[in-house]
This record gives sequence, structure tokens and C-alpha cells, in this order.
Amino acid sequence: GDSVTQMEGPVTLSEEAFLTINCTYTATGYPSLFWYVQYPGEGLQLLLKATKADDKGSNKGFEATYRKETTSFHLEKGSVQVSDSAVYFCALSDRSTGANSKLTFGKGITLSVRP
Amino acid sequence: DAEITQSPRHKITETGRQVTLACHQTWNHNNMFWYRQDLGHGLRLIHYSYGVQDTNKGEVSDGYSVSRSNTEDLPLTLESAASSQTSVYFCASSERVGTEAFFGQGTRLTVV
Repeated sequence: GDSVTQMEGPVTLSEEAFLTINCTYTATGYPSLFWYVQYPGEGLQLLLKATKADDKGSNKGFEATYRKETTSFHLEKGSVQVSDSAVYFCALSDRSTGANSKLTFGKGITLSVRP
Repeated sequence: DAEITQSPRHKITETGRQVTLACHQTWNHNNMFWYRQDLGHGLRLIHYSYGVQDTNKGEVSDGYSVSRSNTEDLPLTLESAASSQTSVYFCASSERVGTEAFFGQGTRLTVV
């Protein structure tokens, strides 16, 4: 079945540091890939997405590239801010399995950014 | 603006009671999902629906049920609440398979 593996957390960085959060996936077909972010006390919201190999999703300074050869979708940001402190989830939706498809999430990783 | 709302936001109930969590979306999405979020487990799928009268079990469906009588609503029922069901519950909807999902604000349920 489909699965998403994220690096272990939590992660603590100083403001303006470079961020990488690793995500790899297993899917039987042709998944769309997503990064969701959850700010304290809130629901999840979409951060960025990519729907096919070599696509790059980007939003709010975050980027992730769909790498089919390494089955990865790592999240990066060049300079984090305190306001980026949140929980980040990698997810996939496998479009090829029709009615049996659904969103599958990784376990999430908590990012804390110090001033 | 279209939205997805959950109610209540917080609920405390006793072991053995039946509890229903509401989820209402105005996106007119066919797909709706219920997840629970627990530390160390991320989000786990409880039940999902691809349209009216359609319901499917997710990976942690035991002790939960859903019904889909219209497009807008997917209530989640805990038949007999257990302490292991203390969690934060999220409802989500999406337009079609493979597209992004929109999430509600969550319901924090405590079973005592």
C-alpha cells in the first residue's frame, strides 16, 4: 500500500537558517505529492503541491521537487522565520487507484524557529 | 467563501457514551474524510466517502461509524466512547481524487 516516511523530529533552528525536511514515499501508481502545514491550534492547510515527476511546488519561500527516481519530495526553505514554527506533513494521493485512492500522510515533524 | 466547519471544537464525554462529531462543507466536494491526530502517529484515516450514500473504512475504523445522506455533511459517530479515542479529530474534503484536501479546524475529544 501507499506510505509516506518523514524524517524524525522535532527540529529547532535559529532564524534565517536553512531548512530541509526529508520526505520519501511508496506508491503503486502515479501520486500527487503535497506538503501541509499545521500552525498551533489550527487545522492543516496546503503549503505546496506537485502532480508529476520533476514538478517543483513553491509557496511562501518553501520549495519541494517531485523526484520520481528517488521517490522523494523534500521540503526546503532558504531562510526560516519565527512565524514558520509549525508542524509539517508530507502527503500523497495516488490517482491511479481510482475509487480506492485517498490522502496518505507522514507522521509530521515539528519545526521550532528561535529568534 | 466556501469552507469546512467542525463542531463542537471541544468535547468531554464519559466512557460508554455515544458521541457524534459534525462536519459540514460548502465546497460541494464529493470526497470527505475523517482523520484522528495523535502524538507519534500523525494523521490516521478513520472513514471516508466519495459521494452520497458511499462510505468506506480507513485504517483505524473500529469503534467509529459515518453516514453520508447529502453532499455537505459527514458526521462521525463513536458508538461507545473509550479512553483510547481521546484525540483530535479532523474532517477534510476534496474535489476529486488526487487534488488537495481542505481541512476543518479540528475537534478535541476527551473521553473520561
